[in-house]
Amino acid sequence: SQQGEEDPQALSIQEGENATMNCSYKTSINNLQWYRQNSGRGLVHLILIRSNEREKHSGRLRVTLDTSKKSSSLLITASRAADTASYFCALGFTGGGNKLTFGTGTQLKVEL
Amino acid sequence: ETGVTQTPRHLVMGMTNKKSLKCEQHLGHNAMYWYKQSAKKPLELMFVYSLEERVENNSVPSRFSPECPNSSHLFLHLHTLQPEDSALYLCASSQAKGGKLFFGSGTQLSVL
Repeated sequence: SQQGEEDPQALSIQEGENATMNCSYKTSINNLQWYRQNSGRGLVHLILIRSNEREKHSGRLRVTLDTSKKSSSLLITASRAADTASYFCALGFTGGGNKLTFGTGTQLKVEL
Repeated sequence: ETGVTQTPRHLVMGMTNKKSLKCEQHLGHNAMYWYKQSAKKPLELMFVYSLEERVENNSVPSRFSPECPNSSHLFLHLHTLQPEDSALYLCASSQAKGGKLFFGSGTQLSVL
């Protein structure tokens, strides 16, 4: 399978806590991207990390990539109720052209 | 607003109807995509149009027919659909191969 697998499938935390989601994959990749989707809406791009990078930050988001373990993690610090959404990892492949493959996502719920 | 506009937002159709989904991007991108999102399943890439290529997912039934008249517009023509085709259909665009995708808000399709 060329798609990533997110873990956990669902996560419920309190506002202010950190949320960590993981993505594992089985084939070599060129880049890995994280997206967010609010219910019934389109996906929004969060971060792209290339295979030669190990960590990237964007605001309260931190993404790590371990190509030896074929895994990535997305950390959301100091979560807010507005972070409630589904989060997907997407894999880009060398020679894969314009094709990204997505997993089934992690549903994050941040409660007040 | 992501710069990718999809219409209609909702569509209910019978199995004998013919309808079309429309997507327009205002970002100057050179690749456009159709994705299908069904409950509990990974996003499924249906079609890709770019300057270099048109890519089809061979598992997509022929009752789905894409059309890309120019780099800013993308259509998905639907005919004799089945109830299992009910899903959220997402259009996306990108500038570069393997680059980040910009999604529209999707068309929620129900086939009765």
